[in-house]
Amino acid sequence: DVQMTQSPSTLSASVGDRVTITCRASQSISDYLAWYQQKPGKAPKLLIYHASNLEIGVPSRFSGSGSGTEFTLTISSLQPDDFAIYYCQRYNSYSVMFGQGTRVEIK
Amino acid sequence: QVHLVESGGGVVQPGRSLRLSCEVSGFTFRKYVMHWVRQAPGKGLEWVAVIEYDGTKTFYADSVRGRFTISRDNSMNMLYLQMNSLRVEDTAIYFCARVGFEYTSSSLDFWGQGTLVTVSS
Repeated sequence: DVQMTQSPSTLSASVGDRVTITCRASQSISDYLAWYQQKPGKAPKLLIYHASNLEIGVPSRFSGSGSGTEFTLTISSLQPDDFAIYYCQRYNSYSVMFGQGTRVEIK
Repeated sequence: QVHLVESGGGVVQPGRSLRLSCEVSGFTFRKYVMHWVRQAPGKGLEWVAVIEYDGTKTFYADSVRGRFTISRDNSMNMLYLQMNSLRVEDTAIYFCARVGFEYTSSSLDFWGQGTLVTVSS
């Protein structure tokens, strides 16, 4: 199975900061990579699919990049609503896998 | 609007069984691959199982293979997860989720609100 490693596990930042989260795959997954945001008590919300495609309705401050084994999620200017946990997910096969998650906290 | 609503969670003793249901609406269910994903209290997301749009293929996480069975009834717009031989470590919120594109594996664009399963003696 292709393993997913996400970093950092926790990130402290201020409103307005540029934030970057990294996800690495143990072998190439092409661009079969998605990013999700989850807030307490809620289901995950899809932000990015196919590594760099913004889901409809997601603010443009979110962006994704990468292919193969290394991927990044960037929030260009962190907003109060963005404090949450972020997960990457590979879907290069039917059996998908999530990264461990990155908690974005208020500094 | 797309809606997914899970039901069937509850408290169950170790070794017992439980069946979760996911009722969907707002899209052509028979065209979409569907997943179950779980989240233990305070933990991250763990993929559980997937079923192809026509039900002909299913795949499972190692942690549940041989104990859980995913199925669907395309005539009723229903997704199921039969959970047997439950263990304490199966305690989690269980989400059903739809893939984002028809007839193929993809990211998960719509999720239910989740149903809590607690395995405890």
